[in-house]
Amino acid sequence: EAQVTQNPRYLITVTGKKLTVTCSQNMNHEYMSWYRQDPGLGLRQIYYSMNVEVTDKGDVPEGYKVSRKEKRNFPLILESPSPNQTSLYFCASSSNLDRAAFRDYGYTFGSGTRLTVV
Amino acid sequence: LAKTTQPISMDSYEGQEVNITCSHNNIATNDYITWYQQFPSQGPRFIIQGYKTKVTNEVASLFIPADRKSSTLSLPRVSLSDTAVYYCLVGDISLGGGATNKLIFGTGTLLAVQP
Repeated sequence: EAQVTQNPRYLITVTGKKLTVTCSQNMNHEYMSWYRQDPGLGLRQIYYSMNVEVTDKGDVPEGYKVSRKEKRNFPLILESPSPNQTSLYFCASSSNLDRAAFRDYGYTFGSGTRLTVV
Repeated sequence: LAKTTQPISMDSYEGQEVNITCSHNNIATNDYITWYQQFPSQGPRFIIQGYKTKVTNEVASLFIPADRKSSTLSLPRVSLSDTAVYYCLVGDISLGGGATNKLIFGTGTLLAVQP
């Protein structure tokens, strides 16, 4: 089944303790992206990657890092989490090169990771 | 990037047709219009995408007037399971995903379907 898999689904951590949220897709997509969702603010893009070893900042990159060493994986790293990073996080992927596929399927999103930083 | 404006919420009853309109006055020539559906605590799900006139798939129809400054998502005969938030996005997808397709999600429209 074509999907984007995020882990963990739920995470409670303490301020300053480094954590990584993993994201993996099995659709051979070039493009991957991270979003956070907060009440009243909708989804905001954190970082995105157009392909392996190519990443760029989204609208709210502060406090986050990403890496794209392999095509299928795009982990989100919080080096020193703070309570204002408590949020619902989504990973998404899409094809960069297959325009017809993107027209018909758009982004595929993961099921989300609910992070609480205390 | 074109900004979109949608109603915050809408109510409907089972079996009715629902039309959600999105305003995007600053849409650019290469921009496409895309709609996503999101259930609570789940990732958004792609519904439909179009550039102009009308697009229809097995789930919905998308109506885009000639000036493309607005679009309407039409859901035929909604059921309780269609209760969700619907997002209208505008972005340049001429090259697929990536920097040319930096889609911005607004706060969406909460559709509540009642029995």
